[in-house]
Amino acid sequence: GEDVEQSLFLSVREGDSSVINCTYTDSSSTYLYWYKQEPGAGLQLLTYIFSNMDMKQDQRLTVLLNKKDKHLSLRIADTQTGDSAIYFCAERSTGGFKTIFGAGTRLFVKA
Amino acid sequence: KAGVTQTPRYLIKTRGQQVTLSCSPISGHRSVSWYQQTPGQGLQFLFEYFSETQRNKGNFPGRFSGRQFSNSRSEMNVSTLELGDSALYLCASSLAGSRTEAFFGQGTRLTVV
Repeated sequence: GEDVEQSLFLSVREGDSSVINCTYTDSSSTYLYWYKQEPGAGLQLLTYIFSNMDMKQDQRLTVLLNKKDKHLSLRIADTQTGDSAIYFCAERSTGGFKTIFGAGTRLFVKA
Repeated sequence: KAGVTQTPRYLIKTRGQQVTLSCSPISGHRSVSWYQQTPGQGLQFLFEYFSETQRNKGNFPGRFSGRQFSNSRSEMNVSTLELGDSALYLCASSLAGSRTEAFFGQGTRLTVV
């Protein structure tokens, strides 16, 4: 079945890079997403990547996709305290009408 | 343009009661999905509607139901509430569904006492 897994916690120092990892099982996944959730808020789409891409860069965010290993990562450069949040990895397959989410990685940024 | 609007933001209900939550998608979006978020289970897919039709349903009991109106607004209903239904219910809208990204509302925090 479909499953998305992420580590639950990550702690980094302000100014360092953060790398959040995710693995998924659905080989037909076409769209892979990263969402950010701050306390008391809904999910904010950060970035997404199509399965025919290896990498996508958007300002401080870099997404890497290893389709063979079904591994997705999100790198946040120059991490700031405002980046502290829960980050969700999600996948959606072509023709699929639901998005499957990982459990979320809680990022702590120490000043 | 306005984002996804969910009402109410907070709700307290008693066991056995029923509740209706509302979601207004972004203008022009025809797909609405619902998710339940709890600390223990994470984000669980409830159902997805497109043009008033339910296209997919998650593994929830029949007490959870939903519908979508012709203006794309959606409601979800939970009958005979249980303590375990306490959660943040999130609604997401997207333009057409499978090929486009979903935008989330801030959610409705339901507490069952």
